[in-house]
Amino acid sequence: NAGVTQTPKFQVLKTGQSMTLQCAQDMNHEYMSWYRQDPGMGLRLIHYSVGAGITDQGEVPNGYNVSRSTTEDFPLRLLSAAPSQTSVYFCASSYSGTAEETQYFGPGTRLLVL
Amino acid sequence: GDSVTQMEGPVTLSEEAFLTINCTYTATGYPSLFWYVQYPGEGLQLLLKATKADDKGSNKGFEATYRKETTSFHLEKGSVQVSDSAVYFCASGSGGSYIPTFGRGTSLIVHP
Repeated sequence: NAGVTQTPKFQVLKTGQSMTLQCAQDMNHEYMSWYRQDPGMGLRLIHYSVGAGITDQGEVPNGYNVSRSTTEDFPLRLLSAAPSQTSVYFCASSYSGTAEETQYFGPGTRLLVL
Repeated sequence: GDSVTQMEGPVTLSEEAFLTINCTYTATGYPSLFWYVQYPGEGLQLLLKATKADDKGSNKGFEATYRKETTSFHLEKGSVQVSDSAVYFCASGSGGSYIPTFGRGTSLIVHP
């Protein structure tokens, strides 16, 4: 199993550009989520999904969109990038969707918005 | 709501020193408790977990005991190595919620 994969690993954007961060898992996990990690801020939840076709907002959803058309994929879209979105983004998944389950994280996407 | 508080870092130690990283939690009911580790440039990975009071999780020489009476889950290791340098996250998760609660992370730096 590849586990949780994320692409790209690095990306540089100009303000106003849009892009999609890809996340995929091959473990048949129901729950998937997106976090951003900033110095001194820990992990902040952006969006999450408890199954195909079901998504909800986390702590910091503004400026980001998600969809979940398959169990395996959970892309994160930046509609109009801003310098405040410079961060490291992590996708995570878990089997059943309860918080008691172990979270499996991807390797991250490092995004710089100029 | 639920919360997790862990000691601020960085924690700086010499190789073979004893490590303790404190973690306390607030939650309704009895959550599962986790320690995740993030090595430089990587994502988080599970280090150990405990699912009920008095359980001890252990892995790679690290240990943590679920203490219900003090609502704590402190991480310990008897002799750290340079390769243990990483950021450590304490987390809790309840069955009635989709979303786990993470602490802010504690950076550990181990010098030779």
